[in-house]
Amino acid sequence: QVQLQESGPGLVKPSQTLSLTCTVSGGALNSGDYYWSWVRQPPGKALEWIGYIYYSGSTYYNPSLKSRVIISVDTSNNRFSLKLSSVTAADTAAYYCARVDGASQLSFDSWGQGTLVTVSS
Amino acid sequence: IQMTQSPSALSASVGDSVTITCRASQNINRYLNWYQQKPGKAPKLLINGAFSLQSGVPSRFSGSGSETEFTLTISSLHPEDFATYFCQQSYSSPPTFGLGTKVDIK
Repeated sequence: QVQLQESGPGLVKPSQTLSLTCTVSGGALNSGDYYWSWVRQPPGKALEWIGYIYYSGSTYYNPSLKSRVIISVDTSNNRFSLKLSSVTAADTAAYYCARVDGASQLSFDSWGQGTLVTVSS
Repeated sequence: IQMTQSPSALSASVGDSVTITCRASQNINRYLNWYQQKPGKAPKLLINGAFSLQSGVPSRFSGSGSETEFTLTISSLHPEDFATYFCQQSYSSPPTFGLGTKVDIK
């Protein structure tokens, strides 16, 4: 069974870049039917999709964040990463990585535990 | 596409049947998924495609609906079902989620 685990700093200063990595175990990133995604949840608010990446490197981003987001993949180490630039307090959230099943209505079928990132000076 | 869930919270007892509603701001056919999340834990996919139960999910969970209105029903609450449930549309990009419904013990 695939497992995902987020890692990265829990505190980022305003205007800096938030960087997180998701390490995947129990399954290969280059499984053709899946996309690999980042989702965030600000305190008390709804989940917000950030973007997906396919193992080939093709990316799809939420238009609301597209200008600040880069998602990349490292298939040799079975992990993918998120960079969100020019962060503000509004980017404070729990960040989750998740696997998306492209063959099953793009449902998020496996998730990491999540990591809280606070933007504060 | 905006997803609106109701109620935002409910209290129920073990053995009760509960129904959660999710409404989409436009027709999403049956591109609707349901998740369960417990405090401090990763979300878990319960149902995709409005009614298809994921492997290993108990049959007391069921989903129905199409177009703009969908329901998640838990037919007889077990202690482990007390959690937050949220819906998500995958009809069009960006995928969007409901705010969630918290089911707690009466």
